[in-house]
Amino acid sequence: AQSVAQPEDQVNVAEGNPLTVKCTYSVSGNPYLFWYVQYPNRGLQFLLKYITGDNLVKGSYGFEAEFNKSQTSFHLKKPSALVSDSALYFCAVRDMGGELTGGGNKLTFGTGTQLKVEL
Amino acid sequence: GAVVSQHPSWVICKSGTSVKIECRSLDFQATTMFWYRQFPKQSLMLMATSNEGSKATYEQGVEKDKFLINHASLTLSTLTVTSAHPEDSSFYICSAPNIQAYNSPLHFGNGTRLTVT
Repeated sequence: AQSVAQPEDQVNVAEGNPLTVKCTYSVSGNPYLFWYVQYPNRGLQFLLKYITGDNLVKGSYGFEAEFNKSQTSFHLKKPSALVSDSALYFCAVRDMGGELTGGGNKLTFGTGTQLKVEL
Repeated sequence: GAVVSQHPSWVICKSGTSVKIECRSLDFQATTMFWYRQFPKQSLMLMATSNEGSKATYEQGVEKDKFLINHASLTLSTLTVTSAHPEDSSFYICSAPNIQAYNSPLHFGNGTRLTVT
């Protein structure tokens, strides 16, 4: 079974400061890891993913995430936060061994972290 | 990029009526679609996996007769909430993988806010 933990319900950051949203995962095989962002009353938007290769992954809107296999973590980061980054962020994992068809593409989501960036 | 369209974006219905929510993949074929339910300030709860041309796979605890799923074509899946009650009020979101694009992330619809009065 696969699982994702986002230990912080909310993260508060001042605009211009760096931000980190934490995520740890558990899968039986090698992981596919994703970060999504959700604005109020909207679906989820894809930010970035880790499949293989470089541990530092760069994504949309200046976000990046670092894959750490030994710590089973995939923390989301941004060097300089903006007020417009305020939203709900979800980490998700899929076992790389799963098939792409049918339910094999099923992601397991974390509980979400509300990011609040203030002036 | 790949787009998933979900309709309606919001709906208000009376208790006892049924509501149909549509999820369409606009520029790719989706043999699989996922339906989620999201409660306020909570994560996504996977309800079921919709499979084109076959029966949907429901997660444990989700009533099949309550939440009817039909995936009649490679671009359309529907979720019908039958005999809706106020406790069915929630935010429902669909998503689909573009399996033609290797390692493609899931593409999400914008969700449907259902309010049952």
